[in-house]
Amino acid sequence: EPEVTQTPSHQVTQMGQEVILRCVPISNHLYFYWYRQILGQKVEFLVSFYNNEISEKSEIFDDQFSVERPDGSNFTLKIRSTKLEDSAMYFCASNGEDGYTFGSGTRLTVV
Amino acid sequence: QKEVEQNSGPLSVPEGAIASLNCTYSDRGSQSFFWYRQYSGKSPELIMFIYSNGDKEDGRFTAQLNKASQYVSLLIRDSQPSDSATYLCAVTPSNFGNEKLTFGTGTRLTIIP
Repeated sequence: EPEVTQTPSHQVTQMGQEVILRCVPISNHLYFYWYRQILGQKVEFLVSFYNNEISEKSEIFDDQFSVERPDGSNFTLKIRSTKLEDSAMYFCASNGEDGYTFGSGTRLTVV
Repeated sequence: QKEVEQNSGPLSVPEGAIASLNCTYSDRGSQSFFWYRQYSGKSPELIMFIYSNGDKEDGRFTAQLNKASQYVSLLIRDSQPSDSATYLCAVTPSNFGNEKLTFGTGTRLTIIP
């Protein structure tokens, strides 16, 4: 069964450092998303991406965040200068005719 | 602010009984409704989706939608210990399937052997 792959599974970074979270969506999907879930809280939408551009972003997705599809397979989320409150699980998802599929997530810990 | 509300639980149900999970949503324009299961530290896993008023059954799971009351529910029959998880309700504003999901906080379900 096709799956969305995320790397790394766990990343620890120092406050102020840049991190890049990577995702490989399902190959025939056209819509890509990033969500985050702070421990004990709900899953929150960050950004959606279609046709090589952002189609929608939430209030959380400020200038510190960016997304990119650098090639035909990868979809990345960059946080330029991490803060303690960026510590969360980050989920990539892709959507196609067979529906939404979430990746297994990256646990980001900012220290 | 478009909200999705769920009782956070925990909800404890004996093995073999029916578990009933409820969700309300504030955006009357919502068209697509999803139930996800999430085990601790894992990603959401789709159980069912429903678009039309009424019931939709898939194995031991039944989703119920009442758009007039802005209410969606999930019934789990013959509950198993492996059903113990957090159940997330999510909605989108359209049927096109390419919209963002708005999630509730989830209901933690524990099946007691």
